Amino acid sequence: DADVTQTPRNRITKTGKRIMLECSQTKGHDRMYWYRQDPGLGLRLIYYSFDVKDINKGEISDGYSVSRQAQAKFSLSLESAIPNQTALYFCATSDARRGAQHFGDGTRLSIL
Amino acid sequence: DAKTTQPNSMESNEEEPVHLPCNHSTISGTDYIHWYRQLPSQGPEYVIHGLTSNVNNRMASLAIAEDRKSSTLILHRATLRDAAVYYCILRDVIVMYSGGGADGLTFGKGTHLIIQP
Repeated sequence: DADVTQTPRNRITKTGKRIMLECSQTKGHDRMYWYRQDPGLGLRLIYYSFDVKDINKGEISDGYSVSRQAQAKFSLSLESAIPNQTALYFCATSDARRGAQHFGDGTRLSIL
Repeated sequence: DAKTTQPNSMESNEEEPVHLPCNHSTISGTDYIHWYRQLPSQGPEYVIHGLTSNVNNRMASLAIAEDRKSSTLILHRATLRDAAVYYCILRDVIVMYSGGGADGLTFGKGTHLIIQP
């Protein structure tokens, strides 16, 4: 089983719909992150969380919200999806002591 | 944040060594040099990181210039599975371990490594 699991893997939806992407981890890491990747570009940070009570905005948080339901779960919501939010979304975790981030396989989101 | 510069693409032959360069002329004393790679249809994967000394692990070696303004990721014997986009990223050790400030990775466009059979 994957250490960092993202659901769904693919989603097609319409403009204006509310979308939730979920991430769960079995690594026991305290830090979790959401990134977005657009074609031909590197990843950009949306939100990150150091623990259940700590949520922080990243580089491109507008139009997104997050919830850290437990140490192992971190969800990303698009309250009212728009076409330019079509992208590949990645969740990641890290252990503060080791620093390396571990990524899920991504959610491909298309907004029509 | 200090930035990195990498070639857009590189090509190598299978079973030969590959040297992937990265320039980071504005690196600060507290920046670690991290390398990640992203295989097709997968999330990024941690490869290696270092501060000043050269580093080796089972995946690769990292050679860091004495002035730390450049580094080279070395794949000793490339396989077809090593075809990926390789990212060189600087991470401030204070941010990384204390949690102060933004703690995300700043990805550039990376180097697209092509391996020929």
